[in-house]
Amino acid sequence: GAGVSQSPSNKVTEKGKDVELRCDPISGHTALYWYRQSLGQGLEFLIYFQGNSAPDKSGLPSDRFSAERTGGSVSTLTIQRTQQEDSAVYLCASSLYVPDTQYFGPGTRLTVL
Amino acid sequence: AQKVTQAQTEISVVEKEDVTLDCVYETRDTTYYLFWYKQPPSGELVFLIRRNSFDEQNEISGRYSWNFQKSTSSFNFTITASQVVDSAVYFCALTITSGTYKYIFGTGTRLKVLA
Repeated sequence: GAGVSQSPSNKVTEKGKDVELRCDPISGHTALYWYRQSLGQGLEFLIYFQGNSAPDKSGLPSDRFSAERTGGSVSTLTIQRTQQEDSAVYLCASSLYVPDTQYFGPGTRLTVL
Repeated sequence: AQKVTQAQTEISVVEKEDVTLDCVYETRDTTYYLFWYKQPPSGELVFLIRRNSFDEQNEISGRYSWNFQKSTSSFNFTITASQVVDSAVYFCALTITSGTYKYIFGTGTRLKVLA
């Protein structure tokens, strides 16, 4: 596709359930990033991938959060046992290499009831 | 510690006025990148500019201009003759390149341009 795509665009879940958020980067981009944007807040950097590896996972908020990237393309952010404070917009971005200009997807709005 | 401060939470201007959005950053690294992104009401962030720490040259792109001053650790963004379509949240961001990369965003400045 022409840009970064994310699915689903909206996700409503119940507290305690697991959710998977998907990101499809721009074709050929080697780097992929995940951010969280809470209501009225800036962007909180979660993790980035260079190829399939994530050099630094310290930005993930808790051990309930995990991310993987396979085939140097699609990435999945998984949140286990969701909590209400996980409600936010999760943004994915990709770039040709690291560091470089990041191109953002439209985000997934997660609501935990 | 690395930090980006956008002290202006919200600015309102009347169309055709000039407006400057402030960005102050903190880092001990000598090599870093600075970015500005625009987030319109539709929600998708749009890249505006990238600057590396060794390039203090100011840049102008149409009605947009950026003033990078290492002496004051600032990377300010000016919109000349603002238009209603400029209404958005603008984020300043810092990328640290030593060790593993760090990406730090400011909290954003909401710009409202009134007709």
